[in-house]
Amino acid sequence: DGGITQSPKYLFRKEGQNVTLSCEQNLNHDAMYWYRQDPGQGLRLIYYSQIVNDFQKGDIAEGYSVSREKKESFPLTVTSAQKNPTAFYLCATQQGEISPLHFGNGTRLTVT
Amino acid sequence: GQQVMQIPQYQHVQEGEDFTTYCNSSTTLSNIQWYKQRPGGHPVFLIQLVKSGEVKKQKRLTFQFGEAKKNSSLHITATQTTDVGTYFCAGRNTGNQFYFGTGTSLTVIP
Repeated sequence: DGGITQSPKYLFRKEGQNVTLSCEQNLNHDAMYWYRQDPGQGLRLIYYSQIVNDFQKGDIAEGYSVSREKKESFPLTVTSAQKNPTAFYLCATQQGEISPLHFGNGTRLTVT
Repeated sequence: GQQVMQIPQYQHVQEGEDFTTYCNSSTTLSNIQWYKQRPGGHPVFLIQLVKSGEVKKQKRLTFQFGEAKKNSSLHITATQTTDVGTYFCAGRNTGNQFYFGTGTSLTVIP
């Protein structure tokens, strides 16, 4: 969606390195989410934040960390503790509890 | 934990044929949303269903929410090549988290 920027589109890293994925939004949405997408497994929630300086773990938070210092930004760090980091990562925002999720274009991370 | 199952995982149809994907939750949902993801793209919101037994239509697409609010379906009449993509349901529970189904990948053969 326009208004959500994920960068870069493709990212390559060596095993053992931490890497940070960027997600910036100008939609003024309070809630932001990180999902991981693997073939045949749909979207799985990593972390979410409903307000600045607060965030909660999703179903697969192990090996990931986030921060929410500004409303516009919700970066995701994939640490070396994440066993299978190669995946497509999607950031989403939400205006209110029953509103649709708006997704960025995603970052495809490959770790070798 | 919360699970949302979606079937089938893949569907190939001839252009003009109908298509249906089904979503089933292990628990009662507050609402359910449907998304479409084109190949190489990101999920895009299609519709939200909130009420028990609700039916909504968007042109050739018909969405239903089950009476028990545990299942939902998306039916496309007379598919076109523009319908190609993966269709996801996302169920929201009382804890305000969305749980995505595994998706149904639709291929339309011209």
